[in-house]
Amino acid sequence: DGGITQSPKYLFRKEGQNVTLSCEQNLNHDAMYWYRQDPGQGLRLIYYSQIVNDFQKGDIAEGYSVSREKKESFPLTVTSAQKNPTAFYLCASSRRQEGQPQHFGDGTRLSIL
Amino acid sequence: AQKVTQAQTEISVVEKEDVTLDCVYETRDTTYYLFWYKQPPSGELVFLIRRNSFDEQNEISGRYSWNFQKSTSSFNFTITASQVVDSAVYFCALRSNTGNQFYFGTGTSLTVIP
Repeated sequence: DGGITQSPKYLFRKEGQNVTLSCEQNLNHDAMYWYRQDPGQGLRLIYYSQIVNDFQKGDIAEGYSVSREKKESFPLTVTSAQKNPTAFYLCASSRRQEGQPQHFGDGTRLSIL
Repeated sequence: AQKVTQAQTEISVVEKEDVTLDCVYETRDTTYYLFWYKQPPSGELVFLIRRNSFDEQNEISGRYSWNFQKSTSSFNFTITASQVVDSAVYFCALRSNTGNQFYFGTGTSLTVIP
């Protein structure tokens, strides 16, 4: 079955540590996205990518980095510069054609130790 | 500017009651798309429906129905005869045809009480 796989489901970060969240899709979608969701809040866009080797900052990119070396993969690194990383992170993908919906992974819950 | 507002933060209803979730949007684009997603406790957002700006026909799918009105910039979602399994957070989203970004509302948390 086609879909989006995020791993790990739960992740813990120590002070000063970088951690990387994985996102893989086999839907052959061109566009991929990373969102952050805090309790009781909506989704805030961190980064998005429309094609391989290209990505744009979203509303809250500071303290995060991404890469898009392959169409199916869009990993997110939470760097030590992100002082408040505890949140639920959602990866999504969509076709680039007009009006196509996003499809989401199951999410990764990141906490600070 | 693109913006989606879901003014209802939390709603509780008793099972079998009908419930309407409100969504108001802002955009200067003439062509755009509106979406509703459901986020159950497991966390994954599930796509429910898409509507484009040229199609104001209301849609019904089982117990779900959607009312799109361009005159009031609203895209409301009604669940008829609610069930406990409907308990989730519901998000309304907007996508313009000029870019690949989606704009989400802050969500409405629905609790259906048995």
